[in-house]
Amino acid sequence: EVQLLESGGALVQPGGSLRLSCAASGFTFSNYVMSWVRQVPGKGLEWVSDISNSDGTTDYADSVKGRFTISRDNSKNTLYLQLSSLRAEDTAVYYCARTLGYCSGGRCYAYFGSWGQGTLVTVSS
Amino acid sequence: EIVLTQSPGTLSLSPGERATLSCRASQSVSSSSLAWYQQKPGQAPRLLIYGASNTATGIPDRFSGSGSGTDFILIINRLEPEDFAVYYCQQYGSSPRTFGQGTKVEIK
Repeated sequence: EVQLLESGGALVQPGGSLRLSCAASGFTFSNYVMSWVRQVPGKGLEWVSDISNSDGTTDYADSVKGRFTISRDNSKNTLYLQLSSLRAEDTAVYYCARTLGYCSGGRCYAYFGSWGQGTLVTVSS
Repeated sequence: EIVLTQSPGTLSLSPGERATLSCRASQSVSSSSLAWYQQKPGQAPRLLIYGASNTATGIPDRFSGSGSGTDFILIINRLEPEDFAVYYCQQYGSSPRTFGQGTKVEIK
């Protein structure tokens, strides 16, 4: 059974930093593109970032580009998201997702096959 | 960026009825690269449909998807109590991938 378990969410001040982790199990982690998707409480879903399984290519939504960094450690079956220069509008539940589809030219054309339960990031002073 | 507009915003139905949810794209979605997700309160989204019409593993056959180009439909036949939730469409044919704003299916 695919399991994704996020951690690291917290209350952080504007301008602060945070690292989210997603521990994966039940599948061969290194074979899959992985993604982060976020959801403002009570609102809709927003894709945040992808990292490919083959060459580590990354992609980001314009709203987080230059501030967030996605990475993975295949030896630990873990996905990460480093959040920096946080803003109030980054407040959301952050989900990691196992992504199905393909990546080409630095972009992924894929949907989200399995999701973790999410971790809440609150940016507030 | 492709904007997805879902309608209606809320659908009030009784168990056993049929639900028809619409997702309209601002431009054509290539290769019918459209997915549907279900989300219940306090839970993560769950994949229902991919490729516009392919049912994900473990999803009951009362869920079906159709459409192409800019117009897509999710049908839920014979609503069960556990089907009352919010449903999102998502296109993955172009970057950035985008979601619709959601349709809430509530008990009438």
